[in-house]
Amino acid sequence: AQTVTQSQPEMSVQEAETVTLSCTYDTSESDYYLFWYKQPPSRQMILVIRQEAYKQQNATENRFSVNFQKAAKSFSLKISDSQLGDAAMYFCAYRTPSLAGGTSYGKLTFGQGTILTVHP
Amino acid sequence: GAGVSQSPSNKVTEKGKDVELRCDPISGHTALYWYRQSLGQGLEFLIYFQGNSAPDKSGLPSDRFSAERTGGSVSTLTIQRTQQEDSAVYLCASSLAWGVGELFFGEGSRLTVL
Repeated sequence: AQTVTQSQPEMSVQEAETVTLSCTYDTSESDYYLFWYKQPPSRQMILVIRQEAYKQQNATENRFSVNFQKAAKSFSLKISDSQLGDAAMYFCAYRTPSLAGGTSYGKLTFGQGTILTVHP
Repeated sequence: GAGVSQSPSNKVTEKGKDVELRCDPISGHTALYWYRQSLGQGLEFLIYFQGNSAPDKSGLPSDRFSAERTGGSVSTLTIQRTQQEDSAVYLCASSLAWGVGELFFGEGSRLTVL
């Protein structure tokens, strides 16, 4: 079974500075997707960024970028120029393509989450 | 609808009572997912629907939990004889199809069992 581990229960950063959130995962698959979701106090999960495992280039979305190390099974999220609105719980998630077959494929598996605090 | 809608937003119930949680997915999304988020915990997968069928029910914690989806749209998660350990936020999400595309989440239903 696939597992996702976020080793940092809490992180904090000063406004305008950079912070990196860690995520590791365990899988025997070669093709899969990785995601970072943000959950603000409103509870609604919002997709921040996604990475396809077959792509060597790290995904970037504005101030958010990832460091994807496939061999090490590591998928960290870097937030640059942190803003107060970035404060939230961040979840790393893993999914195999549904075409791989079986009902367990396609399921999104989440890590335990990291609470990010942004100080003004 | 414009987004995934869940109701009620908050529910307080007494131990032993039954509760129903409702999820209205984004129009046109055939896949619907239920997750449970306990205090300070990650998201625990409960069940998913592709259309009206639920191929994988293995995530449901006990036989007190059941879910149905009718008309390929609204889904209801029912918890019978609630226990205190059922207290959690129940999140619903939908996507274009199972394993395809981004999951869009609702704001969840917070269940408190006294």
